[in-house]
Amino acid sequence: EPEVTQTPSHQVTQMGQEVILRCVPISNHLYFYWYRQILGQKVEFLVSFYNNEISEKSEIFDDQFSVERPDGSNFTLKIRSTKLEDSAMYFCASSRGGSGQPQHFGDGTRLSIL
Amino acid sequence: RKEVEQDPGPFNVPEGATVAFNCTYSNSASQSFFWYRQDCRKEPKLLMSVYSSGNEDGRFTAQLNRASQYISLLIRDSKLSDSATYLCVVNEGNQGGKLIFGQGTELSVKP
Repeated sequence: EPEVTQTPSHQVTQMGQEVILRCVPISNHLYFYWYRQILGQKVEFLVSFYNNEISEKSEIFDDQFSVERPDGSNFTLKIRSTKLEDSAMYFCASSRGGSGQPQHFGDGTRLSIL
Repeated sequence: RKEVEQDPGPFNVPEGATVAFNCTYSNSASQSFFWYRQDCRKEPKLLMSVYSSGNEDGRFTAQLNRASQYISLLIRDSKLSDSATYLCVVNEGNQGGKLIFGQGTELSVKP
């Protein structure tokens, strides 16, 4: 069964450094998403991406965050200057269609900011 | 009021028990509804979509009541492997496809 893959599985970074999280969505999916989950809290939406542009973003997704689809397979999340509160599990997801279609999640990148 | 609210849990049940999870959502314009399960420190995995007519998948039955803005999940004959956190998830129909997650209800099935 096709799946969403994410790298790295764990990233440790000093506060203030830039970090790039990578995702390979399911190949025939057209919609891509990033979510995060702070330890002990619920999963929160960050951003959705379709047709090479952002469809929707949350208040969390401020100017420090950016997303890109640099080629036909990868989907990346960049955090420009990390803060301690960015420590969380980051999940990439993809879906065949937009609203109403189930989203399939990768196994996440654990980001630890020191 | 929280956007998606679930029973706080945890639920501790013996193998073979029937267990029900409840969820309410605040936005009456919500369009799509799902149950996901999440094992400890792992990704959410789609369990089932929830349809207005109700739907069943083996031991799992999901119900939706749009008038009450209420969603339920029933697990019959629970197995040890059902132990996980169950997430009620709502899409409000916006074009971006944003999913709104509940806090989750933890289930522990004991032998």
